[in-house]
Amino acid sequence: KAGVTQTPRYLIKTRGQQVTLSCSPISGHRSVSWYQQTPGQGLQFLFEYFSETQRNKGNFPGRFSGRQFSNSRSEMNVSTLELGDSALYLCASSLWTGGGEAFFGQGTRLTVV
Amino acid sequence: AQSVTQPDIHITVSEGASLELRCNYSYGATPYLFWYVQSPGQGLQLLLKYFSGDTLVQGIKGFEAEFKRSQSSFNLRKPSVHWSDAAEYFCAVGPNTGNQFYFGTGTSLTVIP
Repeated sequence: KAGVTQTPRYLIKTRGQQVTLSCSPISGHRSVSWYQQTPGQGLQFLFEYFSETQRNKGNFPGRFSGRQFSNSRSEMNVSTLELGDSALYLCASSLWTGGGEAFFGQGTRLTVV
Repeated sequence: AQSVTQPDIHITVSEGASLELRCNYSYGATPYLFWYVQSPGQGLQLLLKYFSGDTLVQGIKGFEAEFKRSQSSFNLRKPSVHWSDAAEYFCAVGPNTGNQFYFGTGTSLTVIP
């Protein structure tokens, strides 16, 4: 059974640009959550999508957005990139929402220069 | 408010020695508790989880954890550490709403020969 797949693994962008990250959850899983990991702030919840609907959102500015497709694949978008957006972005896949354990992808390392 | 505290930022142990990583949580209801491990540049791998029932849970790679409600703790243990256990360990609680997990700041484990 394939795990959670995140693409691309690495990205370098310039301040002011926008970026789109992709996450394919485990087959059959319908919930996808996104987390930002930085040395200073640790792991912070961005948002969760379940059945193509955003279920919950963390404390991030509106520049961070996401969506989920009918096949449960999810994308997150960051517009007007800032240096502080440099981080490891992790996607987590769960069978249901509110159902317990989450399985993480290997992440996308975003560097903003 | 939900939160997780991992008091030890960094721990060094000798190979073959026992290990205990501490985790304290604050949660408004009966928590779901997790331990994840992260190798450099990688995503999070689930080691074990506690939902209910037996307070001593077994996980992968020889790890176990004990849930103590009276102390709001969920400490991770391993009787004999291997060099390959060197990594970052995260304790997490949730989900609260949807699949939002709260993570501790992590404990970095170094294993010396």
